[in-house]
Formats: sequence, structure tokens, C-alpha cells
Amino acid sequence: GDSVTQMEGPVTLSEEAFLTINCTYTATGYPSLFWYVQYPGEGLQLLLKATKADDKGSNKGFEATYRKETTSFHLEKGSVQVSDSAVYFCALNQAGTALIFGKGTTLSVSS
Amino acid sequence: NAGVTQTPKFQVLKTGQSMTLQCAQDMNHEYMSWYRQDPGMGLRLIHYSVGAGITDQGEVPNGYNVSRSTTEDFPLRLLSAAPSQTSVYFCASKYATVSTDTQYFGPGTRLTVL
Repeated sequence: GDSVTQMEGPVTLSEEAFLTINCTYTATGYPSLFWYVQYPGEGLQLLLKATKADDKGSNKGFEATYRKETTSFHLEKGSVQVSDSAVYFCALNQAGTALIFGKGTTLSVSS
Repeated sequence: NAGVTQTPKFQVLKTGQSMTLQCAQDMNHEYMSWYRQDPGMGLRLIHYSVGAGITDQGEVPNGYNVSRSTTEDFPLRLLSAAPSQTSVYFCASKYATVSTDTQYFGPGTRLTVL
């Protein structure tokens, strides 16, 4: 079945460092891909999404490109802030099915 | 719009007790779902609904019941709570089952079963 694999955390960075969180997927069709973020004590909220190959999603300085050839959707940010500390989830969705999540990657940014 | 709301925020139960976690959305979304979040396990789907009167099982449905009598509400019932059901529960909704739709999450219910 479809699945999502994320790099395991925690990821610990200093403020202004470059961030990459790897995400790869397995899917039989043409899924949409998402990154959700969960701040401490809160629910998940959409960070960005891409709905077809080569699309780039972006929001709040974060970017991810839908790479069908490598089945990847890596999350990047050029300069992280302390306020970016959170858990990040990669997810995929096919039409008519439920969202499938990776296990999440915890990011901790120190000043 | 209030979005997706969940009550209660925290709950402690004793083994064998039953309770209902409430979920409501005011966005006229057809699709609603329940997840549980456990450390190192990510989010696992419990039950989902594609519209009023229609529900189906997800990955981990045992010990839980759902119903969908209205578009707005999707309660999750624990029939006889067990310590293994200690978790954080999230309700979510989206407009339809197309793959491109964004799914919106509630703030969660933290449940402890003693």
C-alpha cells in the first residue's frame, strides 16, 4: 500500500541554519503531497502542499518540490528561527482515500 | 468560522469506563476523520466518514465506534476504555475526498486511561 517515510529526528539546529527534512513516498497513483506542522500543544496545520509532479509548495520561508522521479518531497528552509521549533509531518493523499502520514520529525532550534 | 472544534481538551478515565469525544466543524465539509497520535507512531487513522450516514474503518478501529448523523458532527465513542487507548486524539475534516483538498485539524483531546 501507499506509505510515507521521513527522516528520524530529532533535528537540532542553531538559529539561521539551513534546514532539510527528507521525505520519500510510495504510491501507485498520482498523489498530492503535503507538509503539516504541529507546534507544541496544538493540532496539525497545513504548511504547504503540491498536487502534481514538479510543483513547488512554499509558505513562511519553507519550500518543497514534488519529485516524481525520486518519489520525494523534501522540506527546506534557508534560515530557521527559534519559532520554527515543532514537529513536521509529511503526508500523501490519493483521491477517495485517507491522508497517509509519515511518523513526524521533531525540529528544535536554539538561539 | 470556528473551524474544527473538539471537546474535551483533557480527559482521565478508569479502565472499563466509556466516553464520547466530540468533534464538530462549521465549514460544510463532507469528509471527517479521527486519528490517534502516539510517540514514535505518527498519526494513525481510526475511523472516517465521507458524508452524513456513511462511516468506515481506518487502520486502528478496534475499541472505537463512530456515527455521522449530521454533516457537522462526528463523535468518537470509546466503548470500554483500556490503558492502550491512552493517546492524543485528533479530529480532522476536508471538503471532499479529492486528493488536492487540504485537511483541517482540531486542537486535540489528550486522553489518559488508568
